[in-house]
Amino acid sequence: GAVVSQHPSWVICKSGTSVKIECRSLDFQATTMFWYRQFPKQSLMLMATSNEGSKATYEQGVEKDKFLINHASLTLSTLTVTSAHPEDSSFYICSAMPGQGYGYTFGSGTRLTVV
Amino acid sequence: DQQVKQNSPSLSVQEGRISILNCDYTNSMFDYFLWYKKYPAEGPTFLISISSIKDKNEDGRFTVFLNKSAKHLSLHIVPSQPGDSAVYFCAASAANDYKLSFGAGTTVTVRA
Repeated sequence: GAVVSQHPSWVICKSGTSVKIECRSLDFQATTMFWYRQFPKQSLMLMATSNEGSKATYEQGVEKDKFLINHASLTLSTLTVTSAHPEDSSFYICSAMPGQGYGYTFGSGTRLTVV
Repeated sequence: DQQVKQNSPSLSVQEGRISILNCDYTNSMFDYFLWYKKYPAEGPTFLISISSIKDKNEDGRFTVFLNKSAKHLSLHIVPSQPGDSAVYFCAASAANDYKLSFGAGTTVTVRA
């Protein structure tokens, strides 16, 4: 079946540093990938839509300069949290849709803790 | 504004009995609905979906019912098994828009 691989699964970083999260579609090509953020006991909130070869589309209220998204190939999208602060600590999840009727496949998520 | 709502944050059910999870939505443009299962510190796993042209879809122990007039859908799990204990998210999307809107989730606990 369609698999989306996300790395790292968890990361701890110091305040002010940047963290890159990778999302790869392993057995299909994904022209579009999605990045979500989940706070404890809350819903998954869409942050941005990542489009291969073009700029990402950010949801209202999401700082594009803080959450840099790059989708340079059909199988890889990256989310970089720049100048991370403790309030950026969250669970970040990517997803992609292998094709019509297959539903969305999610990565395993990345737990980011900024100290 | 939360367009997809799961008003029950938790559900406890005995093994072998039916689990019924409910979901309501406000956006009349939504035409595709999905249920996901999620364990802690993992990404959601797709369970079952339904398009607005149907009112029921069944896959093994999982059945999703859609009531468009009430803007309501439900997920039935029968019989419930201990491995079903997880958080279940309802999600919806509108035609020609691949963005998903998620509910806040319902934590299901299946008691032995």
